[in-house]
Amino acid sequence: GNSVTQMEGPVTLSEEAFLTINCTYTATGYPSLFWYVQYPGEGLQLLLKATKADDKGSNKGFEATYRKETTSFHLEKGSVQVSDSAVYFCALSDHGGYQKVTFGTGTKLQVIP
Amino acid sequence: GAVVSQHPSRVICKSGTSVKIECRSLDFQATTMFWYRQFPKQSLMLMATSNEGSKATYEQGVEKDKFLINHASLTLSTLTVTSAHPEDSSFYICSAQTGDYYGYTFGSGTRLTVV
Repeated sequence: GNSVTQMEGPVTLSEEAFLTINCTYTATGYPSLFWYVQYPGEGLQLLLKATKADDKGSNKGFEATYRKETTSFHLEKGSVQVSDSAVYFCALSDHGGYQKVTFGTGTKLQVIP
Repeated sequence: GAVVSQHPSRVICKSGTSVKIECRSLDFQATTMFWYRQFPKQSLMLMATSNEGSKATYEQGVEKDKFLINHASLTLSTLTVTSAHPEDSSFYICSAQTGDYYGYTFGSGTRLTVV
């Protein structure tokens, strides 16, 4: 079955530091890949997505590239801000967005001033 | 944008009682809603898919009689945890399809504690 593995947190960074949150996946076929973010007290929000190999998703300074050869979708940001403190979930779905979504365990990011 | 309201955000109940969690789409109609459960330091696990006007589809291993799902209108789905026990304590979160191809909007979740 499908699975998503992401690095365990929490991750604590100083403001303006570089962020990488690793995510690897196992899936049959060619899944779509997502990063969701959950700010304290709020629901999950779609941060970015990629639907095929070598696609790069980007939003709010975050980027992730769909790497089929390494089955990875690592999240990066060049300079984090305190407001980026949240829990980040890597996820995949088969054959498009209406299918079942499989989530990773989530990685908590704390950015300190 | 599409908003899903989930209530309550936290609930504490006694063992043996039932608890109802509501998930409402505020500014759109949601024909399909999803219910997830998250254990500490684990993934969100899909429990069931709820379709308006029909029976929910449960994932393997989820007890239908314990986790009752009702989706009676296009804007409301409810999850009732019946005869709750301490092992049902968890974080429950709903999501709804917004109609976009990759459109899922999530509620803010409910922290259930059974004592």
